[in-house]
Amino acid sequence: SQKIEQNSEALNIQEGKTATLTCNYTNYSPAYLQWYRQDPGRGPVFLLLIRENEKEKRKERLKVTFDTTLKQSLFHITASQPADSATYLCALVRGAGGGADGLTFGKGTHLIIQP
Amino acid sequence: GAVVSQHPSWVICKSGTSVKIECRSLDFQATTMFWYRQFPKQSLMLMATSNEGSKATYEQGVEKDKFLINHASLTLSTLTVTSAHPEDSSFYICSANSYEQYFGPGTRLTVT
Repeated sequence: SQKIEQNSEALNIQEGKTATLTCNYTNYSPAYLQWYRQDPGRGPVFLLLIRENEKEKRKERLKVTFDTTLKQSLFHITASQPADSATYLCALVRGAGGGADGLTFGKGTHLIIQP
Repeated sequence: GAVVSQHPSWVICKSGTSVKIECRSLDFQATTMFWYRQFPKQSLMLMATSNEGSKATYEQGVEKDKFLINHASLTLSTLTVTSAHPEDSSFYICSANSYEQYFGPGTRLTVT
């Protein structure tokens, strides 16, 4: 069955440093991969989407890479700030990705940025 | 843009009663909406795909007679938890589709 693993339950990073989160998947060839942010008691908020034919995508302080050979995505937050503290979820589209398919989520990595 | 709302944000009900949760796309039309459930410290799990004007598609292990889904318009999908039991207590989240999905704020259901 499809499986998504994210690198740890909690990651502590010093403010100003780069936080790197890992997402590995098995038994899957997704058309694209997404990263979401989730705060306690809230729904996920979309951050970035990267397609299978893209190696890297950036948005402000965020960067995502996608290696379909390794079946891995890395999510980077540069110049991290305490406000970046949250749980970050990796998600894969379940079907061909035509917009009518749900997502399979990892358990998420809880990121803590310490001042 | 792309705002999804849910109502109520939290609800407490007694075992055996039914609860309806609404999901609305506020500034766009959604032919497809999704319902997820999240238990504490667990990932979001897709329960069902809600299709406007047709029957919902349920994931394996999700009882369609217990979790009734109605997608009567392009901006509204409802999830009714029938004969709720304490094990149904969870965080229910809907989303509306595009390539990136827009999620509602979630509904915390507690069944006593």
